[in-house]
Amino acid sequence: QKEVEQDPGPLSVPEGAIVSLNCTYSNSAFQYFMWYRQYSRKGPELLMYTYSSGNKEDGRFTAQVDKSSKYISLFIRDSQPSDSATYLCAMSQNSGYALNFGKGTSLLVTP
Amino acid sequence: GAGVSQSPSNKVTEKGKDVELRCDPISGHTALYWYRQSLGQGLEFLIYFQGNSAPDKSGLPSDRFSAERTGGSVSTLTIQRTQQEDSAVYLCASSLKMQTFFGQGTRLTVV
Repeated sequence: QKEVEQDPGPLSVPEGAIVSLNCTYSNSAFQYFMWYRQYSRKGPELLMYTYSSGNKEDGRFTAQVDKSSKYISLFIRDSQPSDSATYLCAMSQNSGYALNFGKGTSLLVTP
Repeated sequence: GAGVSQSPSNKVTEKGKDVELRCDPISGHTALYWYRQSLGQGLEFLIYFQGNSAPDKSGLPSDRFSAERTGGSVSTLTIQRTQQEDSAVYLCASSLKMQTFFGQGTRLTVV
């Protein structure tokens, strides 16, 4: 079993919809959780960074971490066609360990 | 520069040749990672440098792969005797206090 599981999609939604992206993980030692957005032929771009459990909001984006369920989510409100990309979750125990990535979810927001 | 810089952006090489990929991390970032991303796949961890500690080489797929980081800054990933299965995008990232930023990658094609 991979340490981080992420549904690859593709996920297609109409413009303005609320998007929910999720990852599950198996390593209870993970404490740092990140979401990246990757456009085609570009490097991943850090969107959200959270430590331990709880919510974090930044504009249209909200990241949630539920360590008891080993489940993290990224919500995108009022989705735009420019949000069409692959979204990758990543997590780590601490600075002494490399990031573990999900395989990414492909999102398409249609006008 | 402000971000992680990788060179070259594209590299085409003949099977059996050696290649060197370069990464200039963000100034002051103590951690540096190399990942590989094949078409439609997630990010595969290769190697991780953290400060003056011994690097975590656990992700290197074979002894044809090596990396060094000179003076705690620039890093070079070397692939010897390249094979067609080495064709991928090689991504470098650097981080400080766990927030990790990626370069645009080097797209390697082995023909």
